[in-house]
Amino acid sequence: DTEVTQTPKHLVMGMTNKKSLKCEQHMGHRAMYWYKQKAKKPPELMFVYSYEKLSINESVPSRFSPECPNSSLLNLHLHALQPEDSALYLCASSLTASSYNSPLHFGNGTRLTVT
Amino acid sequence: AQSVTQLDSHVSVSEGTPVLLRCNYSSSYSPSLFWYVQHPNKGLQLLLKYTSAATLVKGINGFEAEFKKSETSFHLTKPSAHMSDAAEYFCVVSDSTGGGNKLTFGTGTQLKVEL
Repeated sequence: DTEVTQTPKHLVMGMTNKKSLKCEQHMGHRAMYWYKQKAKKPPELMFVYSYEKLSINESVPSRFSPECPNSSLLNLHLHALQPEDSALYLCASSLTASSYNSPLHFGNGTRLTVT
Repeated sequence: AQSVTQLDSHVSVSEGTPVLLRCNYSSSYSPSLFWYVQHPNKGLQLLLKYTSAATLVKGINGFEAEFKKSETSFHLTKPSAHMSDAAEYFCVVSDSTGGGNKLTFGTGTQLKVEL
């Protein structure tokens, strides 16, 4: 079992819908991440939060809106997505964002399908 | 800039035989290196990490990797493959920027284990 919990496991949404992905960890980690993974590809970094503040946005389109309400929770709000946004969305956390030897702990992901 | 090259996109072994997954890296300073495993429709699980301590690193499930600076390699090995080892494996190098812990992923190696 993973220590990073993501909900929902699967999500199907239309291009006009608004939905949110949720992520939770209780390991006391202060850095949290969103990754996008297409089939047969490695994960691609989208956002990094460090101490609840957005520290990295990898030029992600504004139809993806991250939110970090507290140190344990991370949300990804979705609006007006395109079919090419269909992917596995992975949340991860690490002890801090400044230590390069602090490994990331990943959740099992949300499988998103945009119709 | 840093990069990771996984030399084989697919590796096939028989159950009970050794596993070798090859990884070369490029980094301008002493890197942190990781191997992650991803089973179908799951998140990434940390197998092991190298952070400038011992060059031979032991991980979970009988896996180990040796850091060889002269060869810029970090190959993953296991003495005897099990059917449950069939998965995608990612070699990862870590870079700590001012904003967060950014991982550079290799393109992945699909390990197939046959009876």
